[in-house]
Amino acid sequence: GENVEQHPSTLSVQEGDSAVIKCTYSDSASNYFPWYKQELGKGPQLIIDIRSNVGEKKDQRIAVTLNKTAKHFSLHITETQPEDSAVYFCAANTNAGKSTFGDGTTLTVKP
Amino acid sequence: GAGVSQSPSNKVTEKGKDVELRCDPISGHTALYWYRQSLGQGLEFLIYFQGNSAPDKSGLPSDRFSAERTGGSVSTLTIQRTQQEDSAVYLCASSLDANTGELFFGEGSRLTVL
Repeated sequence: GENVEQHPSTLSVQEGDSAVIKCTYSDSASNYFPWYKQELGKGPQLIIDIRSNVGEKKDQRIAVTLNKTAKHFSLHITETQPEDSAVYFCAANTNAGKSTFGDGTTLTVKP
Repeated sequence: GAGVSQSPSNKVTEKGKDVELRCDPISGHTALYWYRQSLGQGLEFLIYFQGNSAPDKSGLPSDRFSAERTGGSVSTLTIQRTQQEDSAVYLCASSLDANTGELFFGEGSRLTVL
């Protein structure tokens, strides 16, 4: 089955700096790669996603890049703000249904 | 509109007791998923339902775990003879269908087994 590895497990940045979180996946059939943000006591919420037919997608301060050959994808957050502090999860999905998640990255943005 | 609703939000039980966790998906969503999140850990897939198809039970950790989805809507996750290692947050999610991708999560049911 699919295996997703996520790094780093914790990340601390100064407000205004950029943050990058990286994931690798094992199943070449995976074609959908979402990123979720989980705030304390809440369920994860989708913040951006990318499908395998594109290499990059951007939405305001967040962007995701995908390298299908190397089987890795990354989340980039620019101009970080304290409210970006949360746990971020990457996932990989085929059309078969379930998403396989990484172990999460705890991002702390220091004011 | 209403999101995914889970109940109870918190459940404390004694080892050996059975528990039931309930999930109300977003109306019209045909796919429903259960994940388990242990403290500080990632999301572990348990089971998923897609329409009237047989569920994918490949993530259930033991035969003490079961789930059903009645009428293609509400789902119940049942854990029999609970053990301390079952303590975790159980998250339910739904999506329009299994091919759509985006999961909408509930806030979870926190289970503590004493």
